[in-house]
Amino acid sequence: QQQVKQSPQSLIVQKGGISIINCAYENTAFDYFPWYQQFPGKGPALLIAIRPDVSEKKEGRFTISFNKSAKQFSLHIMDSQPGDSATYFCAATGNTDKLIFGTGTRLQVFP
Amino acid sequence: ETGVTQTPRHLVMGMTNKKSLKCEQHLGHNAMYWYKQSAKKPLELMFVYNFKEQTENNSVPSRFSPECPNSSHLFLHLHTLQPEDSALYLCASSQDEQGGQPQHFGDGTRLSIL
Repeated sequence: QQQVKQSPQSLIVQKGGISIINCAYENTAFDYFPWYQQFPGKGPALLIAIRPDVSEKKEGRFTISFNKSAKQFSLHIMDSQPGDSATYFCAATGNTDKLIFGTGTRLQVFP
Repeated sequence: ETGVTQTPRHLVMGMTNKKSLKCEQHLGHNAMYWYKQSAKKPLELMFVYNFKEQTENNSVPSRFSPECPNSSHLFLHLHTLQPEDSALYLCASSQDEQGGQPQHFGDGTRLSIL
C-alpha cells in the first residue's frame, strides 16, 4: 500500500522528442505528488508537483498528468534537451504520511 | 549560503571507525530528514526530526545514531558500519513534518565502507 511503482527504469530520447515517465500508487490517502530531478553528484531537486484536484499541471516544458481513478500519474517532458539528462523520481504522500519515492528513471537525451 | 548543505561530500572509512555526517539548512525549516540512496532502490527514509524532536526511526540499525541540536543542524553519527552501508546519504528539510510539503535536499555524502 505504501509503494510507488515507477517505469521505465531507463529512457533514451532524441533531442526534441517527448519523454514520458509513469508512476502508480495504491494508497488512496495520498494527496500530493511531486517529481524530483537529480543530476549526478547532486541531491534531488523538486521539479514540479500536483494535487489530485486537477488532472494536469504544466510548467514550461514539464507537464504532470494525473489520473485519480487509475491511481496513476506521469511526467511528460516536451522538446527534450540534452540538459534534461538526469534521474527522475516520482513521489507521493498524504497529510500524515511520509514521502514515498519511486525507484527512479534515468533519462538520456541524445543530440 | 543556500539551501541545504552537507559535509563531507565524500567519506571513506573502515568498519571500526567512528565518523559523523553533518547537515545544515538555511531555509528556516522545522523538519529535517536523513535518507539513504542506493543504486536501483527507492530513497529510504531513515530518520525524521520535527522541531528538534525525533519523530521517525525507520527501523535503522543502532550503528547509525542521529542528533539534532537545533532546527538548522542535523548530524548522523556512524560507528562499526558494514560494507552494505556504502551509499549516498541525503539530508532534506521541509517547513514542518506534515505531509504535502516539498522537501529540499542537500547534495549528499557519498560513503564508502572498506
